[in-house]
Amino acid sequence: QVQLVESGGGVVQPGTSLRLSCAASGFTFSDFGMHWVRQAPGKGLEWVAVIWYDGRNTDYADSVKGRFTISRDNSKNTLFLQMNSLRVEDTAVYYCARDPSYNIIRGWFAPWGQGTLVTVSS
Amino acid sequence: DIQMTQSPSSLSASVGDRVTITCQASQDISNHLNWYQQKPGKAPKFLIYDASNLETGVPSRFSGSGSGTDFTFTISSLQPEDFATYYCQQYDNLPQTFGPGTKVDIK
Repeated sequence: QVQLVESGGGVVQPGTSLRLSCAASGFTFSDFGMHWVRQAPGKGLEWVAVIWYDGRNTDYADSVKGRFTISRDNSKNTLFLQMNSLRVEDTAVYYCARDPSYNIIRGWFAPWGQGTLVTVSS
Repeated sequence: DIQMTQSPSSLSASVGDRVTITCQASQDISNHLNWYQQKPGKAPKFLIYDASNLETGVPSRFSGSGSGTDFTFTISSLQPEDFATYYCQQYDNLPQTFGPGTKVDIK
């Protein structure tokens, strides 16, 4: 079955960097776009970034544009989120999610990984 | 960005009750709306796409309707496993945006 497993979260200081990974299995990873979505503690869901199935196109929420970079390694079935210049307000559980439409981006999220917690605190 | 609102923000209901949640978009999004369920400490689960279509494996007691700016999500007969927070999400325009959620808890 489709499985997404995030890793790389932790506690970091403001202004530092962190790289999240999402290992995918159970489907042909290179056929699907992928997203990162985050959820601050006790808050709602916020879309962060998307990458097309072939990695050629990306897009970001304004709140992270210029600081975060989404990438993928289709040979290793892995999605990444490089987070630089982290702020306290980036504290959240970060989920990776597949866009379930073959070779296109619809902006759907199915399924989701279990999430990894990033805490930015001094 | 398209703003999504949901009402109520929370509700208390009993097993067997009919539950209805509304979602409103700040502009016309056609039927480009999804619904998700999230249980405490868990990732969201995709339930309904294109406003009214059930994802494979989702029980038929869940349903959705609406188009344009006004949408409805209904649980026809609430089951113990349905106590959760429900989110609507529009995908008509980037960035995709979510409603603030509706928490359904036990009365």
